[in-house]
Amino acid sequence: AQTVTQSQPEMSVQEAETVTLSCTYDTSENNYYLFWYKQPPSRQMILVIRQEAYKQQNATENRFSVNFQKAAKSFSLKISDSQLGDTAMYFCAFMQFPGTYKYIFGTGTRLKVLA
Amino acid sequence: GAVVSQHPSRVICKSGTSVKIECRSLDFQATTMFWYRQFPKKSLMLMATSNEGSKATYEQGVEKDKFLINHASLTLSTLTVTSAHPEDSSFYICSALTLAGASYNEQFFGPGTRLTVL
Repeated sequence: AQTVTQSQPEMSVQEAETVTLSCTYDTSENNYYLFWYKQPPSRQMILVIRQEAYKQQNATENRFSVNFQKAAKSFSLKISDSQLGDTAMYFCAFMQFPGTYKYIFGTGTRLKVLA
Repeated sequence: GAVVSQHPSRVICKSGTSVKIECRSLDFQATTMFWYRQFPKKSLMLMATSNEGSKATYEQGVEKDKFLINHASLTLSTLTVTSAHPEDSSFYICSALTLAGASYNEQFFGPGTRLTVL
């Protein structure tokens, strides 16, 4: 069975600085998707970034980028130029493809951006 | 695009009553919908997977008779918490997935429903 581990329950970063959230996963499958979701206090899940396992190039979305290391089964999220609005819970998620399309979520990292 | 709504956003009910939560995909047809439960400061726990026109598939440990799921159309799934008790109080989130014409298979999440059982 697949598992997703986020080893940092809480992190903080100064505004405008860079922070990296870690995520590791375990699977024997070769095809899958990885996602980072942000859950602000409103509790609406917001997709931050996604990565297809077959793509070697790391995904980027503006200030957000990932370091995808398939062999090491690692999928970290880097947030550059942190903003107060980045304060939220961040969840890493794994989805096998093709398959049941279920997400397996990590336990989350609570990020606080300090002014 | 890809908007999912949930109704109600908050509900308070008395112990022993049943509560229905609706999940709608507003601008796409959802082949599959998922229901999650989230406790405070915890991750999302998948309760069940619902496919249009067929019975829901429940995760291990989730009571089928307690949490009734109906996926009546390609845009609507409902979760009914039957004979609710205080321990059912939680935040319930739905998500929807479409396989039609999508480059990426991604779940789109609703805003959640906070259920409080007195």
